[in-house]
Amino acid sequence: QKEVEQDPGPLSVPEGAIVSLNCTYSNSAFQYFMWYRQYSRKGPELLMYTYSSGNKEDGRFTAQVDKSSKYISLFIRDSQPSDSATYLCAMDDTGNQFYFGTGTSLTVIP
Amino acid sequence: DGGITQSPKYLFRKEGQNVTLSCEQNLNHDAMYWYRQDPGQGLRLIYYSQIVNDFQKGDIAEGYSVSREKKESFPLTVTSAQKNPTAFYLCASSVLGQGNQPQHFGDGTRLSIL
Repeated sequence: QKEVEQDPGPLSVPEGAIVSLNCTYSNSAFQYFMWYRQYSRKGPELLMYTYSSGNKEDGRFTAQVDKSSKYISLFIRDSQPSDSATYLCAMDDTGNQFYFGTGTSLTVIP
Repeated sequence: DGGITQSPKYLFRKEGQNVTLSCEQNLNHDAMYWYRQDPGQGLRLIYYSQIVNDFQKGDIAEGYSVSREKKESFPLTVTSAQKNPTAFYLCASSVLGQGNQPQHFGDGTRLSIL
């Protein structure tokens, strides 16, 4: 079983839709949770960084962590064509390694 | 602008050849990392370093080597022992000592076999 599971998609939505991206994990020691956005042929760009359970909002993006269910989500409101990218979740148990999901490919159609 | 610079963007390797990928950061980060990204497999850790002149193997270190002679630089050599080197290679860095800080990435090097 992988440490982090993420649906690869692809996910295709119309412009303006609310997008929900999700990851599940198996290691209850994970405490730090991140979402990265990766455009084609580019490196991942940090979008959201949260510690422990709860919600964090930044503009159109909301990150949600439910440690009891070992489940994290990223919501994108009013999605734009420029949001079309691959989204990676990542987690850390305060050790030396980060654990990444395989990424979900998102396309927002104008 | 502060950031992580990887070069070259594209690299081709011949059979039996070693190639070196460059990674430089001006963020004054202590830790640096190398990942390999293959379609459908996510990021896999090759090596990481938390201090100059010290580094540790990640999950897939076989066929790779690194050095950390300067804080700013963490080059990766893909040796001829790596039989399947075609992939997208990503370098990352992070701050240490202030809780766990997220990693920041360069824009990658795509390595292909000739």
